[in-house]
Amino acid sequence: DADVTQTPRNRITKTGKRIMLECSQTKGHDRMYWYRQDPGLGLRLIYYSFDVKDINKGEISDGYSVSRQAQAKFSLSLESAIPNQTALYFCATSDPVVSGELFFGEGSRLTVL
Amino acid sequence: AQKVTQAQTEISVVEKEDVTLDCVYETRDTTYYLFWYKQPPSGELVFLIRRNSFDEQNEISGRYSWNFQKSTSSFNFTITASQVVDSAVYFCALINAGGTSYGKLTFGQGTILTVHP
Repeated sequence: DADVTQTPRNRITKTGKRIMLECSQTKGHDRMYWYRQDPGLGLRLIYYSFDVKDINKGEISDGYSVSRQAQAKFSLSLESAIPNQTALYFCATSDPVVSGELFFGEGSRLTVL
Repeated sequence: AQKVTQAQTEISVVEKEDVTLDCVYETRDTTYYLFWYKQPPSGELVFLIRRNSFDEQNEISGRYSWNFQKSTSSFNFTITASQVVDSAVYFCALINAGGTSYGKLTFGQGTILTVHP
C-alpha cells in the first residue's frame, strides 16, 4: 500500500457541486500539503498544515478549504466547483527533520464540467 | 519570496543523445534545499535528488548527473545517453530551511522531455 493515499483518483463533476478530496498517510509525518498541478504552471501550493491545530493558506487558496481531521488525514474541499478548478491535485507529507523532502500521493484528477 | 524557473518548456531528443534540463532559482535564504522530481505519463511524482545549499559538489547517479552552481543560482540536470523511458515531465523545486516559507516546496513550471526511438 502507498504511504500517501488519495481518494478519489479520478472525479468528474458539474459546476456548483461540492467536492472533497481526501488524503491519508501512514508515514507518521506532522506536515501535510495540498498542491494543484496545471499544465505549464508546475505545482502550486493550496494549503498546508504543520500539525493538527495548524492550517495555513498557500498561494492559491481561494475557492478551497481544508480540514485536518487527524495527524494522518488532510482533506481538501471545493465548496462550489468551477471549471477552472479542473486540475491534478496532489497531497504530500514531510518530515522537517529530514531536510524538507516531500512524499507525494498518486494524485487526484478532477474535472469540473 | 522564492522562485524557480525552468526555461525549457519542451525538449525533444533522439534516443542516446545527451540532454540537459536547466533550472534557475531565486531565494533570500542562505540555507535551502533543491530537488528534482520526475513525472512519468502515469502521473505520479518520483523523487530524483535533493541537494542542500552548502553542498556544491556535483552528483552522478547512473545516467543522471546534476550540476549545482550557487554563483549562478542554477541546478541543472543532465541525462546521458537518453532512453525512451526517460520521457516525462521534470520539475525542479526549492524549499527554504527557515523563515516564514519553511516547509513549502516551490516548483518550477516543468520541462516536458520526449525521447524518440
